[in-house]
Formats: sequence, structure tokens, C-alpha cells
Amino acid sequence: QVHLQESGPGLVKPSETLSLTCTVSGYSMSTYYWSWIRQPPGKGLEWIGNIYYSGSTDYNPSLKSRVTISVDTSKSQFSLRLNSVTATDTAVYFCARDRSTGWHDYWGQGTLVIVSS
Amino acid sequence: DIQLTQSPSSLSASVGDRVTITCRASQTIKSHLHWYQQRSGTAPKLLIYAASSLQSGVPSRFSGSGSGTGFTLTINNLQPEDFATYYCQQTFSTPRTFGQGTKVEIK
Repeated sequence: QVHLQESGPGLVKPSETLSLTCTVSGYSMSTYYWSWIRQPPGKGLEWIGNIYYSGSTDYNPSLKSRVTISVDTSKSQFSLRLNSVTATDTAVYFCARDRSTGWHDYWGQGTLVIVSS
Repeated sequence: DIQLTQSPSSLSASVGDRVTITCRASQTIKSHLHWYQQRSGTAPKLLIYAASSLQSGVPSRFSGSGSGTGFTLTINNLQPEDFATYYCQQTFSTPRTFGQGTKVEIK
């Protein structure tokens, strides 16, 4: 059974960098893509971007200038960095595994990140 | 970006009812359309992938259909645990986008 767990600070100051890590257990990261998705409180889902186990990435153009996703298969982890955050980046951040043409079959439980001074 | 429009945005239904949710894409996405269920305070759960394939472990009362620009999620014999918000997602092109969600509430 694949298990994903997000970790990182729950509070980030405006203009600083949001950093989260997703730890994958129960399955190898090899041959899969891995995504970050977020959900502002009370709102819908937004795909942030994904990374292949080998390191190639694809980002949402609306966030591309501020986002970096990286992977460390030796630790079974992939990470999200979002810089120059504002209050609009306040959201629950989910990590997920991608299958085939892109659907997400396993999700982490999500972690709430609040941007506030 | 490809826009996905779900209808209705919310609905009230009773246990045992049949519920239909529609997702319309702003351009053709072939069959690259997937459905998720999200209960309050939890992560989304994959129900249907590639428009009509039932994810392993998901009850057969859930079904999906459609291709191109029009898609449907049907829930037969609605159960108490089905009251949740449902999202469609397209993965035909970047950025992947989600519909705005349909909240299924108890009548």
C-alpha cells in the first residue's frame, strides 16, 4: 500500500519561501510522476506541478516563476518550494502519485500552510 | 488553460437516489477526464479514471461516461457515505485543471 505524508512548517511569513516535503512509503518512486496540489480554505483544487522520478518537471504556468519541485529517490521524498508567498498562498497542500496519463491514485492527508506575519 | 465546468454546483438528495453530475470541458480532452470524491477535512479520493474506468476498491454504484467535451458521473443508490464534494479533473494538457466541485448534500 502506497502511503504519502506531507511535512513542513504550518506558518510562513509573507514574502518568504514555503517549503514542504512528501515522504513516500510502501512503494518505489521509480517510473512514476509525483504531484503537488493545493486547496485554499473552502475553495477548489489547484494543480501546482509534478516531477518524474528522474527529475524532469512540469509546472502550472500560473505559479511557474515561483515554484521548484525536486526529488530525492534515495530518501523516497519529493519537495515543493514556493517563494515570495502572499496570503493567497494559504492553503492545504497535498502530495499525490500520478498514474499513466496523469490521474492521482494515492494522496497524502494534506498539510495546512498559513501565510501570515 | 482548459476550463472545466461542473453542474450543478450543489444538490440535495436522499439515500437510495440516483445522482448525476456533469462536467463540461472548454475544448476536447478526449477521455483524459477523472473524478474524485472529497469528504470534509480529508484528501480527495480517486473514483473514476479515463472517463469511465472504475478505480480499484470503489463501489460499482459509481460510474462515469463521456468523451470529448462532455462527461457524467453517476451515483446509483446513494449511500450515507457518498455525501461529499465531487471534482472532475482533466489531464489532457498542462496545466491540469479541476472543475469547481459539486457538493452532494442530504435532503
